[in-house]
Amino acid sequence: DGGITQSPKYLFRKEGQNVTLSCEQNLNHDAMYWYRQDPGQGLRLIYYSQIVNDFQKGDIAEGYSVSREKKESFPLTVTSAQKNPTAFYLCASSPLDSTNEKLFFGSGTQLSVL
Amino acid sequence: QKEVEQDPGPLSVPEGAIVSLNCTYSNSAFQYFMWYRQYSRKGPELLMYTYSSGNKEDGRFTAQVDKSSKYISLFIRDSQPSDSATYLCAMGKAAGNKLTFGGGTRVLVKP
Repeated sequence: DGGITQSPKYLFRKEGQNVTLSCEQNLNHDAMYWYRQDPGQGLRLIYYSQIVNDFQKGDIAEGYSVSREKKESFPLTVTSAQKNPTAFYLCASSPLDSTNEKLFFGSGTQLSVL
Repeated sequence: QKEVEQDPGPLSVPEGAIVSLNCTYSNSAFQYFMWYRQYSRKGPELLMYTYSSGNKEDGRFTAQVDKSSKYISLFIRDSQPSDSATYLCAMGKAAGNKLTFGGGTRVLVKP
């Protein structure tokens, strides 16, 4: 089955700890994205990547880091600098077609602070 | 002021009723518009995608765009309990640009 796999489904972070959220896709999409979703708020873009070994900051990149070493993988690290990390994190991908901006989402990771 | 405004709800309707959802936006640069459905603790899934003003129909779903009023709508006919979810509008300015999402409207369809 083609799709986007996020893991883990639930993650707990201690104070001062870095944690990494995994995102893997087998859709052969060029672009991948990380969004943060807080209750009652829209999705806010953290980072995105349109090609391997290249990525750009979104609207709320502070306290986060990413890498794109393979087309299929786009892990997100929530660093200790992110003071309010509790949220639902969504990974998405899309083909880089000039007429197609449709995002396909994973099932999300809920991150909570202990 | 947010670029995209969406009433958070919840919007509660009886089974079989028409669900009417809408978003307003302030930036006339938005060119294409989407509606996503999100079940609790799941990723959003694309329902409708429109590029021009007017109506687009797909089964029980109709998406409407009025660029002159900066207003988009989603109608769900013959609503079912399985339609209970949060509906997110999203819009983009140009191909290759990032999307801007509304905050989502929670819909409850009661049997």
